Amino acid sequence: DTEVTQTPKHLVMGMTNKKSLKCEQHMGHRAMYWYKQKAKKPPELMFVYSYEKLSINESVPSRFSPECPNSSLLNLHLHALQPEDSALYLCASSQEAGIDTQYFGPGTRLTVL
Amino acid sequence: EDQVTQSPEALRLQEGESSSLNCSYTVSGLRGLFWYRQDPGKGPEFLFTLYSAGEEKEKERLKATLTKKESFLHITAPKPEDSATYLCAVLNDYKLSFGAGTTVTVRA
Repeated sequence: DTEVTQTPKHLVMGMTNKKSLKCEQHMGHRAMYWYKQKAKKPPELMFVYSYEKLSINESVPSRFSPECPNSSLLNLHLHALQPEDSALYLCASSQEAGIDTQYFGPGTRLTVL
Repeated sequence: EDQVTQSPEALRLQEGESSSLNCSYTVSGLRGLFWYRQDPGKGPEFLFTLYSAGEEKEKERLKATLTKKESFLHITAPKPEDSATYLCAVLNDYKLSFGAGTTVTVRA
């Protein structure tokens, strides 16, 4: 089973709201990732977690705050977003960071009003 | 900096009309080349991983090949359900660098 799940599927929020995206995998993978994908563009890496520790932050604005409560869960906390942050947010996981196939979830479609 | 270029941008095929997609790459230390399929509004679905030149992988109507500078995804006798955007990505250290994708439309 190579399933990564994400909730919610769709999210609409105002610029003053605080919301969270959730990602879960039960494949025993030790690396988890957040990507952002704008329409008709490829995914862009935001964060990498390896063994529950943040290892890579691709210069993402602080209004995006990742969290890895345990090896199966990954959250992305959102606060004071801008309309240009509207995108498909993808979670992925791999056995280890940097050497293995990454498996993606279905994504959360985020709209910021 | 890693570069991944996919061509063509779009491909329209008649059902049964075989074709190939190209992915050329420049990377300092290739740890793997990946092909994904993505349907509109959904996450990328993993298809293949290739690690070394000369390697080939097959799955149903799809076959991926790798040379030192490029990879090809061959679609044999495509069906309408093969319509999707096909993404190529290279892994260098921790980071997957994606090409812009090829959008394939297969008409019945």
